[in-house]
Amino acid sequence: KAGVTQTPRYLIKTRGQQVTLSCSPISGHRSVSWYQQTPGQGLQFLFEYFSETQRNKGNFPGRFSGRQFSNSRSEMNVSTLELGDSALYLCASSLGLAGGPAGVTDTQYFGPGTRLTVL
Amino acid sequence: GENVEQHPSTLSVQEGDSAVIKCTYSDSASNYFPWYKQELGKGPQLIIDIRSNVGEKKDQRIAVTLNKTAKHFSLHITETQPEDSAVYFCAASPNQAGTALIFGKGTTLSVSS
Repeated sequence: KAGVTQTPRYLIKTRGQQVTLSCSPISGHRSVSWYQQTPGQGLQFLFEYFSETQRNKGNFPGRFSGRQFSNSRSEMNVSTLELGDSALYLCASSLGLAGGPAGVTDTQYFGPGTRLTVL
Repeated sequence: GENVEQHPSTLSVQEGDSAVIKCTYSDSASNYFPWYKQELGKGPQLIIDIRSNVGEKKDQRIAVTLNKTAKHFSLHITETQPEDSAVYFCAASPNQAGTALIFGKGTTLSVSS
């Protein structure tokens, strides 16, 4: 079974631009989560999408947004890029069984990431 | 919100030795604790996970223990090999809808032969 794929693998943008990153989850997985990884802040949760709906959101500004399509593929968008947005953006997919306050957390499988550099 | 502390930040061992990495979490409602290994240029790879209804789990040379009372969990790697060299991350999942993981800052493990 193919793993999580992310495109593109590398991106260079300038301040003020916007960027769209793409993630294709493992076949059969319905949940996609996005994380930002930087040397200073480590791995931080951005948001999670399940059945085309944002189910969970981390503490990031509104410039960071995402969406999920009916085939479970997901995109995240960052508008008005800042130098501090330079990071490795990771996508993780899971079955999507979790849900509700008493739900069991799914196992997440990560993709290779997209390395974004903002100049 | 949940906070995960991970120690040590770097760990150097000789091939064949054991390595132990420890994490503490703050939210007693967290119920899922995975460990990931990340090699240079790659995404994190799940190596083992444990849920709050289990105290210990083992998979060949890797084991994880969980102490819910003390709110800490540990990764144990026995008979380390050079290919175990990588950055290891622990994580905890707060008890809420969805699958958000809160990660520790990582431990760089170096295994020398």
